[in-house]
Amino acid sequence: GAGVSQSPRYKVAKRGQDVALRCDPISGHVSLFWYQQALGQGPEFLTYFQNEAQLDKSGLPSDRFFAERPEGSVSTLKIQRTQQEDSAVYLCASSLGRSGGAQYNEQFFGPGTRLTVL
Amino acid sequence: AQSVSQHNHHVILSEAASLELGCNYSYGGTVNLFWYVQYPGQHLQLLLKYFSGDPLVKGIKGFEAEFIKSKFSFNLRKPSVQWSDTAEYFCAVRNGGATNKLIFGTGTLLAVQP
Repeated sequence: GAGVSQSPRYKVAKRGQDVALRCDPISGHVSLFWYQQALGQGPEFLTYFQNEAQLDKSGLPSDRFFAERPEGSVSTLKIQRTQQEDSAVYLCASSLGRSGGAQYNEQFFGPGTRLTVL
Repeated sequence: AQSVSQHNHHVILSEAASLELGCNYSYGGTVNLFWYVQYPGQHLQLLLKYFSGDPLVKGIKGFEAEFIKSKFSFNLRKPSVQWSDTAEYFCAVRNGGATNKLIFGTGTLLAVQP
């Protein structure tokens, strides 16, 4: 497909379980972002990759959150020992991210994974 | 820290009414500004963007926004809304430096009544 895809679309976890959320960015996009969107709020930045390098993880709320992009394409966001406050929609976005102009930084969003922690 | 404020959380309009959604940001340097839209059951889509140049930006579906630097504002407008414009609208800012992350407002839920 031409867009960003995410899986699963919905995930229900019991408190304390570990979850893994997957993001497939648009082919050729260098930059990849994860955002968390709580109910009634705007997306909040979690972390940013440029190829396989995680350049900014300042938004990760705790050390239970971990993200990787080992080959510079697919990314996984892992949440360990989930808590109820982790319930949210997790959005992935990608951009061309190449130098040469701000237009390469336009971010394209996936449909999100809605995580519910019981 | 940067922040984005959207003043209207919930707006209800009749079809053909004019729309203006407010957006103010806190960052004082070079910024890129965006409006994203999320239709019911769909993912976030870019409506329009401002990087530089003409401060009046035209986007898809008849939307436009005006960047007023002195007011730190980037308000979204549409002269005549349609029922299909019912959606949630998010303003976002990206600073002009090395950070590529977007800072989003809390969103405005627009309901257009036929």
